[in-house]
Amino acid sequence: GQQVMQIPQYQHVQEGEDFTTYCNSSTTLSNIQWYKQRPGGHPVFLIQLVKSGEVKKQKRLTFQFGEAKKNSSLHITATQTTDVGTYFCAGLMDHAGKSTFGDGTTLTVKP
Amino acid sequence: NAGVTQTPKFQVLKTGQSMTLQCAQDMNHEYMSWYRQDPGMGLRLIHYSVGAGITDQGEVPNGYNVSRSTTEDFPLRLLSAAPSQTSVYFCASSYSRGLAAYNEQFFGPGTRLTVL
Repeated sequence: GQQVMQIPQYQHVQEGEDFTTYCNSSTTLSNIQWYKQRPGGHPVFLIQLVKSGEVKKQKRLTFQFGEAKKNSSLHITATQTTDVGTYFCAGLMDHAGKSTFGDGTTLTVKP
Repeated sequence: NAGVTQTPKFQVLKTGQSMTLQCAQDMNHEYMSWYRQDPGMGLRLIHYSVGAGITDQGEVPNGYNVSRSTTEDFPLRLLSAAPSQTSVYFCASSYSRGLAAYNEQFFGPGTRLTVL
């Protein structure tokens, strides 16, 4: 079936280090969404990217959508302990009508 | 607004029992969906609905039934619980302008289900 692959599965960083998670699809995406899930919590929407090559920033978070609309990344600059959680991408394939979630990247931050 | 609410928060079932997980939203969203989340895995779509009276299957629909008689409610029924259905279940809703996946999904707090 249609898949969205996300890497890495886990990332452990020292507070202040940067963090990046990548999302890849074998087929072109109409859009991609990013969600954050805190431990024990539920996914919370962060952002949606629609245009080829789009880059959006939210404070220390930078989101990119690839030129071919098959991949995306989330980069966090200077991580803080409040950044811990699992980050999911969700890609909408053309004509699919519903998004497919990646397996997520779990970030832990050591103070 | 309460957003998306789910009941119960926790549930333990025995194999073969049936139950209904409740989901309600007060945002007048047309699109609602059910996901299950297993350890180390992402969210897998079980069933979804683009409006009252309309439902469709997701990636993992076997063993689950849904109905959508109102805009607000989208219950998920487990017909005969199996240990493989032990998971965390999330309900989500989204404003729909046609294809609902174009809009952010609001998730409920989840139901943690254990089947013995």
